[in-house]
Amino acid sequence: AQSVTQLDSHVSVSEGTPVLLRCNYSSSYSPSLFWYVQHPNKGLQLLLKYTSAATLVKGINGFEAEFKKSETSFHLTKPSAHMSDAAEYFCVVSDLGTDKLIFGTGTRLQVFP
Amino acid sequence: GAGVSQSPSNKVTEKGKDVELRCDPISGHTALYWYRQSLGQGLEFLIYFQGNSAPDKSGLPSDRFSAERTGGSVSTLTIQRTQQEDSAVYLCASSSLSGVYTEAFFGQGTRLTVV
Repeated sequence: AQSVTQLDSHVSVSEGTPVLLRCNYSSSYSPSLFWYVQHPNKGLQLLLKYTSAATLVKGINGFEAEFKKSETSFHLTKPSAHMSDAAEYFCVVSDLGTDKLIFGTGTRLQVFP
Repeated sequence: GAGVSQSPSNKVTEKGKDVELRCDPISGHTALYWYRQSLGQGLEFLIYFQGNSAPDKSGLPSDRFSAERTGGSVSTLTIQRTQQEDSAVYLCASSSLSGVYTEAFFGQGTRLTVV
């Protein structure tokens, strides 16, 4: 069965510094991977998705993620954090057999001025 | 519609009562998902529809939970004899195709409080 593990439940950064949110996946075949963001009292929004066309995926708001098969990782990064990036971030894998989206437990990102 | 619509946005119910939660997916989307998000928790998969059929019901927590989808569109999640542990935000999502790279669009959720 496929699964994702988000290694940090909370990450705190200062505004203007880099962001790294870690995600490892478990899959017996080539997975499809997504990052979703949930701002307080708002719905879930897709940040980016891995489609196998390129291992480095660029998303909205300056975020990007790199698919590393050898490390079974799909970490989310941003060079410079902004206050508006404060939110909950979810790493997601799509189950090939059922199309079910399997969510990680989430990482809460705090950005300090 | 423009997005996934869920109703009601908030529901407070007494323990033991039945509730129905509604999801209107994006027009033309064949896949529909229900998830549950408890306070401070991640998203828990409940059920997935492809058209009107549900290939995966594995996430329904008990036989008090059921869901249906009619006309390949609107879906209703029903919780019978609600319990306090059912309190959560129930999220619905839809996507246009069955496929591993297809983005799912989420509604704003229904916040259910069982008192």
